[in-house]
Amino acid sequence: SQQGEEDPQALSIQEGENATMNCSYKTSINNLQWYRQNSGRGLVHLILIRSNEREKHSGRLRVTLDTSKKSSSLLITASRAADTASYFCATGRGSNYKLTFGKGTLLTVNP
Amino acid sequence: DADVTQTPRNRITKTGKRIMLECSQTKGHDRMYWYRQDPGLGLQLIYYSFDVKDINKGEISDGYSVSRQAQAKFSLSLESAIPNQTALYFCATSDSGTGGTETQYFGPGTRLLVL
Repeated sequence: SQQGEEDPQALSIQEGENATMNCSYKTSINNLQWYRQNSGRGLVHLILIRSNEREKHSGRLRVTLDTSKKSSSLLITASRAADTASYFCATGRGSNYKLTFGKGTLLTVNP
Repeated sequence: DADVTQTPRNRITKTGKRIMLECSQTKGHDRMYWYRQDPGLGLQLIYYSFDVKDINKGEISDGYSVSRQAQAKFSLSLESAIPNQTALYFCATSDSGTGGTETQYFGPGTRLLVL
């Protein structure tokens, strides 16, 4: 069963707008990661936030983590058509370091 | 990521056939994983291996087996393929020396169709 659940399932925006995706999870975690998947391809790691961190930035990406609410958000600013992809959150927990992936948010950025 | 390769990229097979999917990596990572992805769903972990002598079942191991032939090679077998094993299969690697952050690096995937 998936640990993380992304919301919304699909998001369509215009180029230049910001895109926000959310992830909720159920149990305590060591870290939370966001991955991107272009259609039919392998996942690519975007950013990792540890359980003792609240916010992290990487280029146009901003990730927040609220462990009290067991939720995270991924913000992509000034979106581009090339950002069109599925975005997955993955939670790492326990000592065996496995990741558990959510079902993803499909982001479409229209030119 | 060209550092993680999967063969074949596409495969069509018939119910009851045994098939093997192969994964090789040049990243020098000790940990390797096999995932399955169904349309509209996330990734489900089939098997994982933390080193050559370590093999562990994931969430959905029934109907699958694996072999870790070397640190760089991890193969997945479907002993007797069935149509509901039609899916996209991904291999991934990670490095245990990253202090528990466990970023994973994925191969390009194998698209399997079981008729």
